[in-house]
Amino acid sequence: GEDVEQSLFLSVREGDSSVINCTYTDSSSTYLYWYKQEPGAGLQLLTYIFSNMDMKQDQRLTVLLNKKDKHLSLRIADTQTGDSAIYFCAERDNTDKLIFGTGTRLQVFP
Amino acid sequence: NAGVMQNPRHLVRRRGQEARLRCSPMKGHSHVYWYRQLPEEGLKFMVYLQKENIIDESGMPKERFSAEFPKEGPSILRIQQVVRGDSAAYFCASSPSADNYGYTFGSGTRLTVV
Repeated sequence: GEDVEQSLFLSVREGDSSVINCTYTDSSSTYLYWYKQEPGAGLQLLTYIFSNMDMKQDQRLTVLLNKKDKHLSLRIADTQTGDSAIYFCAERDNTDKLIFGTGTRLQVFP
Repeated sequence: NAGVMQNPRHLVRRRGQEARLRCSPMKGHSHVYWYRQLPEEGLKFMVYLQKENIIDESGMPKERFSAEFPKEGPSILRIQQVVRGDSAAYFCASSPSADNYGYTFGSGTRLTVV
């Protein structure tokens, strides 16, 4: 079945870059997404990438997609304390459902 | 243009009671998705609805859970005879069409069963 995996924790120093990784199994995925969830809040769509793209940049965010290895990453440049949250990777399957990873908890320390 | 509105934000029910969770999609959105997030876990798909139709309910438990999206009014996720294991955050998302790239999520309803 479809599966999306992420590492559970990432800790970085303020000002450094953060790289959050994700692997997925469904090769027919059309879109891949990154969502951010702050404590007690809903999910905020950060960015998405279409499956025929390799890279997408949006201000401090860079998404890299390696379709051959089914690997997706999110790089946050100049990480700030306000970036501390849980980051979810999700793939959109061929029935339009989103399949989420378990989330990576990013902690930014001064 | 208001976002996806879910209410209540927090809901406490005793075991055996019914829980009704409401979701009003964004204006112009006719597709609604319900997801459940158990503590310390990712979101799991439950059901996908369009107006008056259930498109995919492959993630819904077979018993006690039901969902509807009537012609008028919000989408409702109904859980009958709640048990402690139903305690979770329930999120609703909407999109204008199945081909749209992005879903907009609501802030969720946090259900606690005591």
